[in-house]
Amino acid sequence: KAGVTQTPRYLIKTRGQQVTLSCSPISGHRSVSWYQQTPGQGLQFLFEYFSETQRNKGNFPGRFSGRQFSNSRSEMNVSTLELGDSALYLCASGWGGSSEQFFGPGTRLTVL
Amino acid sequence: DQQVKQNSPSLSVQEGRISILNCDYTNSMFDYFLWYKKYPAEGPTFLISISSIKDKNEDGRFTVFLNKSAKHLSLHIVPSQPGDSAVYFCAASQGGSEKLVFGKGTKLTVNP
Repeated sequence: KAGVTQTPRYLIKTRGQQVTLSCSPISGHRSVSWYQQTPGQGLQFLFEYFSETQRNKGNFPGRFSGRQFSNSRSEMNVSTLELGDSALYLCASGWGGSSEQFFGPGTRLTVL
Repeated sequence: DQQVKQNSPSLSVQEGRISILNCDYTNSMFDYFLWYKKYPAEGPTFLISISSIKDKNEDGRFTVFLNKSAKHLSLHIVPSQPGDSAVYFCAASQGGSEKLVFGKGTKLTVNP
């Protein structure tokens, strides 16, 4: 069974640009969550989607947004990039009825 | 305010001995706790979880203990193996939510 896949794995952008990251969950999983990992703040929850609806949202500015498609694949978008957005962005999928989630390898975003 | 705390940034043990990783939480509404292991350049891998209605859960070499009155949980690895060397994250959630609150991790090194 294929795991969670994320594309791209690495990305370099400059301040002010926008970026879109993609996540394909494990087959059958309907919940997709996004997390940001930085050395200072650790792993922080961004948002969670279930059946194309955002169910939970973390404490991030509106520049961070996401969506989920009917096939459960998800994208997250960050607009007007700032240097502090440099981080590892992790996607996790689950059945939606429990807290157990399975993570992808992440997308390493560097903002210059 | 950090709701999940892992106060030891690092831990070093000898192969074959017991590794004990600790985690404290402040939010009494958390009712589900998970441990993840993370290698560099990979996403976190789910290890073991425990519901607040239990005080112990065991899976092979891994055992998680939960002390609700102290708001404390620990992960025991017996016997420790060099392949267990990784960063271990404690996470918590409430009400079956997919939103996980993570500690900042403990880097475990198992020496041969």
